[in-house]
Amino acid sequence: SQELEQSPQSLIVQEGKNLTINCTSSKTLYGLYWYKQKYGEGLIFLMMLQKGGEEKSHEKITAKLDEKKQQSSLHITASQPSHAGIYLCGAESGTYKYIFGTGTRLKVLA
Amino acid sequence: DSGVTQTPKHLITATGQRVTLRCSPRSGDLSVYWYQQSLDQGLQFLIHYYNGEERAKGNILERFSAQQFPDLHSELNLSSLELGDSALYFCASSRGGGTEAFFGQGTRLTVV
Repeated sequence: SQELEQSPQSLIVQEGKNLTINCTSSKTLYGLYWYKQKYGEGLIFLMMLQKGGEEKSHEKITAKLDEKKQQSSLHITASQPSHAGIYLCGAESGTYKYIFGTGTRLKVLA
Repeated sequence: DSGVTQTPKHLITATGQRVTLRCSPRSGDLSVYWYQQSLDQGLQFLIHYYNGEERAKGNILERFSAQQFPDLHSELNLSSLELGDSALYFCASSRGGGTEAFFGQGTRLTVV
C-alpha cells in the first residue's frame, strides 16, 4: 500500500527564517495535497499539485511536485508565528483511499 | 469555515458504551471520508463513502461501522468502546476523485 513520509518530523525556526518540509511517496503520486492543522483543530487545505514539475504559491508558501511525481516540498519564506502548526501532505492512493503523511510540527519563535 | 459540519464537538463516555458521530458534507460533495487522529498514530484513514456506497476501508476496527445516507450525511458508529479509542475523529468531503477534501472541525472523543 502507498505510504507518505514527511521530514522533518518537527521544526523550530526563528521568525523571518525560511524553511522546507518534504513529503516522499512510496509510489507515484497522481495528486498531492498540502494541509495545515492548528493543534486540536481541523485541517485547512493549502494547495493541490498534480503535474510533474508543477509549482504553486500562496502568499509566502510555495509547494512543488518533482518531475518523477514521488516527492513534494513545501517552502515557507520569511516565516511568521502565524505559520506555526502541523503541516500534512495527503494523496489519493489507487484504491480510493485518501491518505496522509505523518505530519511536520512547525514552531516559529517570535 | 470549510462547510463540513461535525457533531458533537466533544463527547465523553464510559468504556463499553456505543456512540454515533455525525458528519454533514459540503453542499454538492459526494465523497465522505472518516479519520481517527491520536497523538501517537497520526491521521489514520478509516473509511470512504461515495454517494451512499462504501468505496474503501482503511484501518477500521470491526467495532466501528459507518454509513452514508441518501441526503449524503454520514454517521460513524463506535461500539464496545475502549480507553484506546479516545481520539479526535474527523470527517472530510470532496466532489470525488482528483479533487481536494475539506475537513470538519472534528469530534473529540474521550472514553473514561
